[in-house]
Amino acid sequence: KQEVTQIPAALSVPEGENLVLNCSFTDSAIYNLQWFRQDPGKGLTSLLLIQSSQREQTSGRLNASLDKSSGRSTLYIAASQPGDSATYLCAAPSNTDKLIFGTGTRLQVFP
Amino acid sequence: SQTIHQWPATLVQPVGSPLSLECTVEGTSNPNLYWYRQAAGRGLQLLFYSVGIGQISSEVPQNLSASRPQDRQFILSSKKLLLSDSGFYLCAWGGLAGEREQFFGPGTRLTVL
Repeated sequence: KQEVTQIPAALSVPEGENLVLNCSFTDSAIYNLQWFRQDPGKGLTSLLLIQSSQREQTSGRLNASLDKSSGRSTLYIAASQPGDSATYLCAAPSNTDKLIFGTGTRLQVFP
Repeated sequence: SQTIHQWPATLVQPVGSPLSLECTVEGTSNPNLYWYRQAAGRGLQLLFYSVGIGQISSEVPQNLSASRPQDRQFILSSKKLLLSDSGFYLCAWGGLAGEREQFFGPGTRLTVL
């Protein structure tokens, strides 16, 4: 059974810092992994999708890596800004093709 | 481009009242559709998913039901709401061949009093 864990649960940093958010999954037989952003009271916005054949995926200041063998993915945010403040969720598919979500990392970037 | 709509955005209902939440998708055909619930301080829980019209799979036993009367319409219902049904309900679509990325709607905040 797929289980997804995210560390840390919350993070508060000053503007400009480079950040690493961690995601661990128990079943490494995944075909992809997805990172989302959720603003308070809003839906989820897809940030990055990494296919199992890829090791990294980049979008602007965001870089996500995937290491299936160790069951880990990281989301790297470069030069953080107050507008990056949100909850970041990772999701990995189960063996029945459903997405299993972590409980998220709540990020606050202060000026 | 594809878009996904949900309504209403917020809803306050008394215990025992019925519920109907609607989700529609534009710009794609034959999508997989999903209903999730996000309770305060907890992760997203998959409630239902559908791979086609009239095809509904339930993930957890509950007081809710889902229907898919049209290809791009997904409805979440209840005959009698419970306090525990309160939460943030999210609809998603996905299933693009080769990628299986999921895209989410704006959500409905349901409060049962």
